[in-house]
Amino acid sequence: AIRVTQSPSSFSASTGDRVTITCRANQGISTFLAWYQQKPGKAPELLIFAASTLQNGVPSRFSGSGSGTDFTLTINYLQSEDFATYYCQQYYSYPWTFGQGTQVESK
Amino acid sequence: EVQLVESGGGLVKPGGTLRLSCTASGFIFGSYTMNWVRQAPGKGLEWVSSISSGGTYIYYADSVKGRFTISRDNARRSVDLQVSGMRAEDTSVYYCARGGSGYGAYPMDVWGQGTTVTVSS
Repeated sequence: AIRVTQSPSSFSASTGDRVTITCRANQGISTFLAWYQQKPGKAPELLIFAASTLQNGVPSRFSGSGSGTDFTLTINYLQSEDFATYYCQQYYSYPWTFGQGTQVESK
Repeated sequence: EVQLVESGGGLVKPGGTLRLSCTASGFIFGSYTMNWVRQAPGKGLEWVSSISSGGTYIYYADSVKGRFTISRDNARRSVDLQVSGMRAEDTSVYYCARGGSGYGAYPMDVWGQGTTVTVSS
């Protein structure tokens, strides 16, 4: 199975900050990578797919980049509603695998 | 409105069986791959199983292979997950999620609200 490692596992930030989360796969997955946001008690929501394509309705302050094994989720000008846990997921091959998650907390 | 609604969760004893169901509305169900993803209390997301639009292709996580069975009924717009041989580590919120339509690899773009399964004696 492809292993997907996210970093950091958590950190504190303030509104207005620029935030970067990284995801690394242990083998090449082209751009078959998605990012999800999950808030407590809620289902995950798709933010970005194909490594860099914004899902409909997702604010443009979110962006993704990368291909192969290294990927990045960036949130420009963090808003209060962005405090949440973020997961990357590879869908290049089964079994699909998620990163362990990154919790973005308010400083 | 595109919607997925899960049901069937509950308390089950170790070794027991449960059938989870997910009913879809607002899209052409029979055109989409469907998936189950779970999340243990306080833990991350774990993909469990996928079934292709016509039910031909089925995949399972190693952790559930041989114990869980995914199936779908396109006429009823539903996808089920039969979970058997339950273990304490199967305790999770189980989410139904829509995959892609057509050929190719797609992420999960629509999720249900989840149904909670607790395995305990």
